[in-house]
Amino acid sequence: DAGVIQSPRHEVTEMGQEVTLRCKPISGHNSLFWYRQTMMRGLELLIYFNNNVPIDDSGMPEDRFSAKMPNASFSTLKIQPSEPRDSAVYFCASSLVGQGVTEAFFGQGTRLTVV
Amino acid sequence: AQSVAQPEDQVNVAEGNPLTVKCTYSVSGNPYLFWYVQYPNRGLQFLLKYITGDNLVKGSYGFEAEFNKSQTSFHLKKPSALVSDSALYFCAVREIAGNTPLVFGKGTRLSVIA
Repeated sequence: DAGVIQSPRHEVTEMGQEVTLRCKPISGHNSLFWYRQTMMRGLELLIYFNNNVPIDDSGMPEDRFSAKMPNASFSTLKIQPSEPRDSAVYFCASSLVGQGVTEAFFGQGTRLTVV
Repeated sequence: AQSVAQPEDQVNVAEGNPLTVKCTYSVSGNPYLFWYVQYPNRGLQFLLKYITGDNLVKGSYGFEAEFNKSQTSFHLKKPSALVSDSALYFCAVREIAGNTPLVFGKGTRLSVIA
């Protein structure tokens, strides 16, 4: 298995532009998580899905952030418009819930820089 | 609400010495506990987990962790540190009840000095 795949690995964009981050979870996993990592705040949960349904988006910082999971093999995190304070590493993770307890598997992350 | 505390931002250890990275947790019920490691410019990698049973859990790369319910702790240990163990370590918790995501601590940077 290729693991959780995120794209792009790096994104540099100008303030005000729309940014879309993509994630392909591990095949067969039914939960997907978006985290954001910064030096100041550590690892924050933004939103998570179970069976493609958003369960808790209370970690999404503002209305500028939105996430979708149209099917079991794809999710997007969109920021529109982007701001410099959105600069961070964004991680996607997936796990299988309901058949014992499995750990979450993380992608390599997308390093976002908003200038 | 669930929470994790990693009281040390940085731990320095000489190569060959034992290492401990501390973690305490707070949950309303019984916990599932995890340790992850992050190397520079990489995602988080799973090291080990406690679900139930033996309080001493063994994981990857010679790491182990001890679950202590009375102290609500889950410290990560290794008998003999390697320079290659230098990385950022995260403790995480989730409740047994319900389908909740992992809550992570802020991380502890381990530096093993040759």
